[in-house]
Amino acid sequence: TQLLEQSPQFLSIQEGENLTVYCNSSSVFSSLQWYRQEPGEGPVLLVTVVTGGEVKKLKRLTFQFGDARKDSSLHITAAQPGDTGLYLCAGAKAAGNKLTFGGGTRVLVKP
Amino acid sequence: DAGITQSPRHKVTETGTPVTLRCHQTENHRYMYWYRQDPGHGLRLIHYSYGVKDTDKGEVSDGYSVSRSKTEDFLLTLESATSSQTSVYFCAISGVQGYGYTFGSGTRLTVV
Repeated sequence: TQLLEQSPQFLSIQEGENLTVYCNSSSVFSSLQWYRQEPGEGPVLLVTVVTGGEVKKLKRLTFQFGDARKDSSLHITAAQPGDTGLYLCAGAKAAGNKLTFGGGTRVLVKP
Repeated sequence: DAGITQSPRHKVTETGTPVTLRCHQTENHRYMYWYRQDPGHGLRLIHYSYGVKDTDKGEVSDGYSVSRSKTEDFLLTLESATSSQTSVYFCAISGVQGYGYTFGSGTRLTVV
């Protein structure tokens, strides 16, 4: 059992649809990060959230950190084929701790 | 220009042989990490470094060793490669522990 559970594991949608990816834990994290990984490349940092209840927007992507700092979500509005990839959440339980990664959600956006 | 490079990008090796993967950074970051990525397991930490000659084990360190003799280089050695070590290996760097990792492009290692 992973410390950070992501759901769903796989998501296939049509271009223009919305999607939400979840990252859940029974533990409290001081910060959560979201990464996107494309085939053949390393993960790339999208955002870091550090305050319970925090919402951050990055163009069509909206990230939320749960009030209790145990969970996070990533919502994509009007998904495009360029959003296809593996989305990973990662958390640090305390400042200065190493990151723990979730298992990832593979997103496929069909044109 | 990439601030972190991994070499080689691909390698095929035989069971029982030693293998060394290299991670090189130009960001002068203090922290460097080696992960392996396997289907169904996500990213798992092998070893990390918090300074020159300062390293520690991660969750899957058995069969691996690391060395960091310079700030910019972090080497991962498979002492005697096994088929279970077939994986994609990623190096990451950060200026602050647990914050904003930058990953390399990975090394795909196949042990036959």
